[in-house]
Order: sequence, then structure tokens, then C-alpha cells
Amino acid sequence: DQQVKQNSPSLSVQEGRISILNCDYTNSMFDYFLWYKKYPAEGPTFLISISSIKDKNEDGRFTVFLNKSAKHLSLHIVPSQPGDSAVYFCAASRKRGSQGNLIFGKGTKLSVKP
Amino acid sequence: NAGVMQNPRHLVRRRGQEARLRCSPMKGHSHVYWYRQLPEEGLKFMVYLQKENIIDESGMPKERFSAEFPKEGPSILRIQQVVRGDSAAYFCASSPMTGARMATNEKLFFGSGTQLSVL
Repeated sequence: DQQVKQNSPSLSVQEGRISILNCDYTNSMFDYFLWYKKYPAEGPTFLISISSIKDKNEDGRFTVFLNKSAKHLSLHIVPSQPGDSAVYFCAASRKRGSQGNLIFGKGTKLSVKP
Repeated sequence: NAGVMQNPRHLVRRRGQEARLRCSPMKGHSHVYWYRQLPEEGLKFMVYLQKENIIDESGMPKERFSAEFPKEGPSILRIQQVVRGDSAAYFCASSPMTGARMATNEKLFFGSGTQLSVL
């Protein structure tokens, strides 16, 4: 039973355009959400997060939107750059401070074409 | 400025052998987490340790798997009598979280992982 779902295994976008990565969750107890980026042969690196008390968080080219009623969040990257090509994981925690027990989705592989 | 160090990067074992995976957290971090990524899957939490203590092992298989984080030295994830289904990437992460305040604990710093292949 997957609690965090990333239904698109892959996404291809042209350089300079917007990339939108989607994530759905089923557990209404989740109240903190994160996006991690992973390059091949490397560990995931933290990208951006959002608390359930907010519906948007922005950091440079990256913005995360949260729709609690739909149990959906999305990561927007604009403008997309070739260096953004990686696998993006959505993750959630049941409460702030869940001691590192994050629930990850399966990831979406983003390819940004020059 | 060393990050989280994991070794070996690749480990090949035959069925029935033991696998030992090592993790040195970032300098100043005393909290270590182990995650496993099976092929085509997301990362799954296994265990959370502080120095000399297992805090949460809810994701650890009940048999053959154990973890420790001794006072001195790296954290060790040990898999006894490995089977083909243990083949996966094993990631270690650390965090600087202290006490009960966990404002940034989710910003885990991951190592590059150990790819375990069981023949």
C-alpha cells in the first residue's frame, strides 16, 4: 500500500520551459512534505520542503505547491536547465519531527533537453 | 568538508554469506538513518540510531538484519545469510538534530549508498 505516489515515472522538458512534477499521498496524518533530487550513483539531496500549514513555498527556480484537500503536491521548476536532469523523489512525514522516518515515492526521472 | 561516507560502494555476496555496510556520518552529526532502495522503488526507512542506541527500527526486517552505531567508529548495517531479495541500494543518512527539537531533521544528508548484489 503506497502512501506516497508519483504516477509519472519520467518527464521530458525543453530547456527554459517549466517542469511540473506531481505527487499524491493517501495518509491525512502527513503534515510535512519534501522533495529530494538524486543523480545517478549519488545519494538523494534535499531540495525544498513545505509544511501542511502552507500551500506554497518558493526557493529560487523551485516552488512547491500543496493542495491538502486533494492530498496533492507539485514541484515546479522554472526555467528548467539541463543540470536539473535527475530523479526527483517526493517524501512525507507523519509529523514534524518523525525522527527521519520519511515515506518516499518511487521517483520521477526528469530529462531537460537543451 | 566530508559528507556522509559509505563503504563499500559496491558489495557482491553469494547467497548465505554476510554483508557488512559501513556509514560514517557528517562531522558533528550524531544521528544516523538507514534506508533501502529496491529496484524501481522509492527509498524505504529501515532504522534510526543515535550513538549506542537504536531509536526506531520499525523498518528493519525481523530476521537477519541488524544495525549498530557504536560510541567509536562508523555505523554498521549487517545482513546475515543474504538472499537474492536483499540486492538493493542501501543509503545511510545523518542529521544534526539534537534533543527533541527536530526543526530540520527531515533535511537528511545522504551518502552515496552501497549497492549490494547477491549472486
